[in-house]
Amino acid sequence: DGGITQSPKYLFRKEGQNVTLSCEQNLNHDAMYWYRQDPGQGLRLIYYSQIVNDFQKGDIAEGYSVSREKKESFPLTVTSAQKNPTAFYLCASSTGQGLPEAFFGQGTRLTVV
Amino acid sequence: SQQGEEDPQALSIQEGENATMNCSYKTSINNLQWYRQNSGRGLVHLILIRSNEREKHSGRLRVTLDTSKKSSSLLITASRAADTASYFCATDVSGSEKLVFGKGTKLTVNP
Repeated sequence: DGGITQSPKYLFRKEGQNVTLSCEQNLNHDAMYWYRQDPGQGLRLIYYSQIVNDFQKGDIAEGYSVSREKKESFPLTVTSAQKNPTAFYLCASSTGQGLPEAFFGQGTRLTVV
Repeated sequence: SQQGEEDPQALSIQEGENATMNCSYKTSINNLQWYRQNSGRGLVHLILIRSNEREKHSGRLRVTLDTSKKSSSLLITASRAADTASYFCATDVSGSEKLVFGKGTKLTVNP
């Protein structure tokens, strides 16, 4: 089945640790996105990538890093510089070619303990 | 900054009633989309309307777009309890692949 997979579903991080959230898609999509969702604030764009080996900062990129070494994969690292990382993280992909319908993963809930 | 702003933030109706949600945005767009999110899950695409379209239908969904007012509305007719979810509008930023979402409307349909 084609789709977009995020893992893990739940993640706990100690303060000061870096953690990496996985996002894999087999839809052959060029564009991939990472969003953060906090209660009452909707989705905020962290990073996005339109093509392999290229990515751009979104609105809240500070404290996060990404890579796009393969078309299928767009991992997000939450670094210790992110002071308030507890949130629900959503990854999405789209064809990025005039058909912007985005397909979302099921999300990763990150909690700092 | 968020491009879209949905209104109302929350809406509670009875089954069988119609639900209307509105979205306003700030800059020029190529497309506007509506998504649905069940609690704790990923978003699901509902419908897309292009900037040169004024109205679009899909099943019980009707979307309108007024580019002069930079606003859109989503109408769900004959609502069902299963329509209970949060609904988000999303706009692309002209000249980029950036896809920006609003804060959403939380819809509750009471049986």
